[in-house]
Amino acid sequence: AQKVTQAQTEISVVEKEDVTLDCVYETRDTTYYLFWYKQPPSGELVFLIRRNSFDEQNEISGRYSWNFQKSTSSFNFTITASQVVDSAVYFCALSEARGYQKVTFGTGTKLQVIP
Amino acid sequence: EADIYQTPRYLVIGTGKKITLECSQTMGHDKMYWYQQDPGMELHLIHYSYGVNSTEKGDLSSESTVSRIRTEHFPLTLESARPSHTSQYLCASSERGSNQPQHFGDGTRLSIL
Repeated sequence: AQKVTQAQTEISVVEKEDVTLDCVYETRDTTYYLFWYKQPPSGELVFLIRRNSFDEQNEISGRYSWNFQKSTSSFNFTITASQVVDSAVYFCALSEARGYQKVTFGTGTKLQVIP
Repeated sequence: EADIYQTPRYLVIGTGKKITLECSQTMGHDKMYWYQQDPGMELHLIHYSYGVNSTEKGDLSSESTVSRIRTEHFPLTLESARPSHTSQYLCASSERGSNQPQHFGDGTRLSIL
């Protein structure tokens, strides 16, 4: 069975601070995919990034960066110089490559950026 | 940009009514999903489909039903709405392949009186 844990339920930071959202996963598959989604107050989930289990390169996109470490089964997300528009609920998800290719979402981390 | 549409956006209706939540996508995606989510909380998969005439129940037991007669259309029906059905319902679609991200609609916020 696969599992995604986002231990941080809510985080508050002051604008321009850096913040890291943690994601820890469990899976028996050797091939799998990890995702991050953002859900702003308007409600629609927006896909941010995908990572496959063979690629441990970290990725940076503007103020966003992702740190994938297989050794600790973690796929953490860092926002640098946070802005009020970053306020949202962020979900980490895991997709198995075999069988029904089930997608498991974490419980989400609510980020509030205070001006 | 993803093109997946849900209607209605908001619905307030009385107990016992039959409700159909619509979901359509114009991307030709084979896979479609329905999730139930209380605002800002965990997503619960209630139904999914891998293609036309394919429907499966998800992890969360639900009294709703779905159909997939056309690739682009995946409606969800509640035969007799109850206050416990009050929630947000999110529809999503994706291409084949486990590496494909899901594209979500804006959701339907359902309130049963």
